[in-house]
Amino acid sequence: DIQMTQSPSSLSASVGDRVTITCRASQGIRNDLGWYQQKPGKAPKRLIYAASSLQSGVPSRFSGSGSGTEFTLTISSLQPEDFAIYYCLQHNSYPRTFGQGTKVEIK
Amino acid sequence: EVQLLESGGGLVQPGGSLSLSCAASGFTFSSFAMNWVRQAPGKGLEWVSSISGGGGSTYYADSVKGRFTISRDNSKNTLSLQMNSLRAEDTAIYYCAKGGAGEWGQGTLVIVSS
Repeated sequence: DIQMTQSPSSLSASVGDRVTITCRASQGIRNDLGWYQQKPGKAPKRLIYAASSLQSGVPSRFSGSGSGTEFTLTISSLQPEDFAIYYCLQHNSYPRTFGQGTKVEIK
Repeated sequence: EVQLLESGGGLVQPGGSLSLSCAASGFTFSSFAMNWVRQAPGKGLEWVSSISGGGGSTYYADSVKGRFTISRDNSKNTLSLQMNSLRAEDTAIYYCAKGGAGEWGQGTLVIVSS
């Protein structure tokens, strides 16, 4: 099974800050990775697919990069509505695996 | 617009069974694999099961293998999850998700408790 190690588990940041979240795969997954945002009481929402492609309707301050085993989600200028939990998901092979999540909190 | 609507959740005793459904609309259902993902209270996301577009291939997490069965009815645009021998640790919100998990339903809550 492919393990997805996501870091950090939580972070505190201010509006306007640049935020970076990382996922590391235990083996190469090409670019078969998505990034998700989840707010309390809501279903996850995909922000990025194929590691670096922006989902339609998602603000351009979100970006993804990486391939193989190292992946990054970047929020270029954190907005009040971005405080949430973020997950990565690999869909290269079964079983699908999520990262443990990163909670982005207000500083 | 893609819509996924889960139903069938509820309270069930340990060892009991429950069947979840996901009604899909807004896309060609049979062309896409479908997935079940769950989230225990206060915990992260856990992939549960997937099924190919034609239904011929199914995949399960080790935690549910042998107890859960995923299926689909492409004539009715419906995805199902039959859950048997339920345990307390199966308590979670269960989401269905389309294809590569680009779209999700709103989830249905399953509580396994005596």
